[in-house]
Amino acid sequence: EVVMTQSPATLSVSPGDRATLSCRASQNIRKTLAWYQQRPGQPPRLLIYGASTRATGIPARFSGSGSGTEFTLTISSLQSEDFAVYYCQQYNEWPPITFGQGTRLEIK
Amino acid sequence: EVQLVESGGGLIQPGGSLRLSCAASGFIVSTNYMTWVRQAPGKGLEWVSLLYSGGTTKYADSVKGRFTISKDNSKNTLYLQMDRLRVEDTAVYYCAKTTGRDSSDWPYFESWGQGTLVTVSS
Repeated sequence: EVVMTQSPATLSVSPGDRATLSCRASQNIRKTLAWYQQRPGQPPRLLIYGASTRATGIPARFSGSGSGTEFTLTISSLQSEDFAVYYCQQYNEWPPITFGQGTRLEIK
Repeated sequence: EVQLVESGGGLIQPGGSLRLSCAASGFIVSTNYMTWVRQAPGKGLEWVSLLYSGGTTKYADSVKGRFTISKDNSKNTLYLQMDRLRVEDTAVYYCAKTTGRDSSDWPYFESWGQGTLVTVSS
């Protein structure tokens, strides 16, 4: 099973600043990684797939990078609606499809 | 517009059974890959099961032999039959439209329903 580890667990950032979230895979997953955003009381929403491709309708301030075992989600100029929990998910080797434990992005 | 509406959740005793439904609109379930993902209260996301458009099924080890994913093409609806339920199955269950083998990249979850809460407790 591919274990996904996200860091930090909680990230405090001021509105307008940049946030950098990390996701590490326990083995090489090439670029088979997706990122999701989950606001309180809402289902997850697909942000990024293929490690760096934005999903339809996702603002350009969201960007993904990385390959192999190290991945990053960057949110430039944070807006109020961006404060949420973010999950990474690998789909290189499955079943099982595995998620990271999440990073909570909170207002500083 | 893609819409997914889950139903069928509720309070059930350990050892009991429940069937969840996911009614889809805006796309055809029969020609798409579909997934169930769950989220225990206050916890992260856990993949449960995936149904290929052709009928192949995949399950997480934690539910294999107890849960069955299926679809009714005439109703454009996905199901999750959950038997021998355990306390640790308590979660919000989401269905998700999933990219499939015809995509260059798969599977990840393009669209999600709002979820239905299953509580297993005596």
